[in-house]
Amino acid sequence: QQKVQQSPESLIVPEGGMASLNCTSSDRNVDYFWWYRQHSGKSPKMLMSIFSNGEKEEGRFTVHLNKASLHTSLHIRDSQPSDSALYLCAASMGGSGGNYKPTFGKGTSLVVHP
Amino acid sequence: EAAVTQSPRNKVAVTGGKVTLSCNQTNNHNNMYWYRQDTGHGLRLIHYSYGAGSTEKGDIPDGYKASRPSQENFSLILELATPSQTSVYFCASGDAGDNQDTQYFGPGTRLLVL
Repeated sequence: QQKVQQSPESLIVPEGGMASLNCTSSDRNVDYFWWYRQHSGKSPKMLMSIFSNGEKEEGRFTVHLNKASLHTSLHIRDSQPSDSALYLCAASMGGSGGNYKPTFGKGTSLVVHP
Repeated sequence: EAAVTQSPRNKVAVTGGKVTLSCNQTNNHNNMYWYRQDTGHGLRLIHYSYGAGSTEKGDIPDGYKASRPSQENFSLILELATPSQTSVYFCASGDAGDNQDTQYFGPGTRLLVL
């Protein structure tokens, strides 16, 4: 059973600052990574996905993936109080074999203070 | 965006009683999942399904059964509820497009077993 480790467990950044979150899988067969965001009392919603080595940017959010080290990171620039949430990383093997089920990390709790 | 609904949204049950949590999705996704979320444990997969009539055990299936009678509906059944099953339960669906499975979550069910 693969494990997905996230760090740090919690993070406090000032409004306008940069937040950096990390995630590593223990399974070398993993091919797909996602970042989900969960506001307090709500359900998780997919924020970004990354399936290839390199970097992907969407607005203030940038995701990096290094498949050799099975490490992905999420960076939020110009952080806003509305970014305060639990950020969950997920990984799966996927593929034509149909092993789609993802494994989630325990999450990083981000607080952006005004 | 995928529409996933869950019922009930809140449930209080007695120890030893039977509890059924229901999930419905209207986007014709093949895959459906049941998770529980507890502080300190993140999202843990209980059961999942790749289509009508199929169910598979996830990472923590003990004490739970699942039923997928149709493409749209996926139920989680606690035959003999215990206080340790007090949690927030999320249903999710995914279309497994491009050999990967982005998850679309329902709003969650808060279950309290007394």
